[in-house]
Amino acid sequence: DSGVTQTPKHLITATGQRVTLRCSPRSGDLSVYWYQQSLDQGLQFLIQYYNGEERAKGNILERFSAQQFPDLHSELNLSSLELGDSALYFCASSGPSGGSSYNEQFFGPGTRLTVL
Amino acid sequence: AQTVTQSQPEMSVQEAETVTLSCTYDTSESDYYLFWYKQPPSRQMILVIRQEAYKQQNATENRFSVNFQKAAKSFSLKISDSQLGDAAMYFCANSGGSNYKLTFGKGTLLTVNP
Repeated sequence: DSGVTQTPKHLITATGQRVTLRCSPRSGDLSVYWYQQSLDQGLQFLIQYYNGEERAKGNILERFSAQQFPDLHSELNLSSLELGDSALYFCASSGPSGGSSYNEQFFGPGTRLTVL
Repeated sequence: AQTVTQSQPEMSVQEAETVTLSCTYDTSESDYYLFWYKQPPSRQMILVIRQEAYKQQNATENRFSVNFQKAAKSFSLKISDSQLGDAAMYFCANSGGSNYKLTFGKGTLLTVNP
């Protein structure tokens, strides 16, 4: 158990719909990362938040957005869903400050999104 | 920009034998880190081993060790005394810069034969 929790575990929805994925980082971790794992694109970095502020953006679609709340949990919002958005979405968290621990990301179990 | 290449889509090894998984990378960062993650059928991403680029000594974690060749930008994983539980997808990853985001390779599927 990494200490990172994600809900829900599975999500099945239809094209055009909107969903919200939730992540709670390890206790004390300020940084949250979102990754997408799909068959064609592999594992891709989407976005990072640090202590409530957006820190970095990767290959995140404009239809997707995220935020990190004062209690440090994060939500990834996916809207106008398409078939190609079906994937495993991971959240990861890392340590509070500089040093080697800050580079070590601990992954949650993922949310499996299926768009029909 | 960072890239990570795993040239072996699949590998197999006999139980108790040794296997080496290959990884090459490219980065413009002077300060970076390299990782091997394991993803078993449960899909959980598990950190296997980490290497700081500024360290010359190769990292070791029990039966897992790396061969880090900085000039060649190579970072291979050696698994000794392979066990059935080692069967999984293995991802090589690189992070660097101010945000430490991970860039992953496409993975190597390791099969362990009894």
